[in-house]
Amino acid sequence: EVQLVESGGGLVQPGGSLRLSCAASGFTLSDIEMNWVRQAPGKGLEWVSYISNTGSTIYYADSVKGRFTVSRDNGKNSLYLQMNSLRAEDTAVYYCARGWLANWGRGTLVTVSS
Amino acid sequence: DVVVTQSPLSLPVTLGQPASISCRSSQSLLHSDGNTYLNWFQQRPGQPPRRLISKVSNRDSGVPDRFSGSGSGTDFTLRISSVEAEDIGVYYCLQYTHWPRTFGQGTKVEIK
Repeated sequence: EVQLVESGGGLVQPGGSLRLSCAASGFTLSDIEMNWVRQAPGKGLEWVSYISNTGSTIYYADSVKGRFTVSRDNGKNSLYLQMNSLRAEDTAVYYCARGWLANWGRGTLVTVSS
Repeated sequence: DVVVTQSPLSLPVTLGQPASISCRSSQSLLHSDGNTYLNWFQQRPGQPPRRLISKVSNRDSGVPDRFSGSGSGTDFTLRISSVEAEDIGVYYCLQYTHWPRTFGQGTKVEIK
């Protein structure tokens, strides 16, 4: 069974940093691309970042480009999202998703507030 | 960026009756490889999203056959042939032909 478990969320001040992790199981992570998607409280879905199966191709939404960095460690079955220079508008539940969003984790909440 | 517009944004439905949601994109979603990359998702209250349909019309494993997707180019539709109580929630379409990937605003399906 495919499982994705996000962690690393929490409360951070504006300008601060957080690193999210996504632990994958039930499939071979190195076989498939991964994505991060976020959802602000009471709002819709926003695609955040993509990383190819080898990590050689990466894309970001304009709203996070230059501040967020996606990476993966296939040997550890893990996906990461390093988030720097956080803003209030980054407050959201962050989901990792397998492939083109075939499977999703339950998400981790990031709150940016002073 | 490709703008994806869903309608309606709110859809009151009667149990046992059909329902449909429209998703329109500002550019054609036909990729140069011949595929059209448009997915549909369901998000029940308090749950993460769940993919229902990939590439316009391919139902995911375990998705009831009352859900169907159709369309081409810039105009797509999700249909529920006979709405059941468990279908309430918010439905989103996603285009992944163009970068950046973009979602529709969501359609909230509720029981009348």
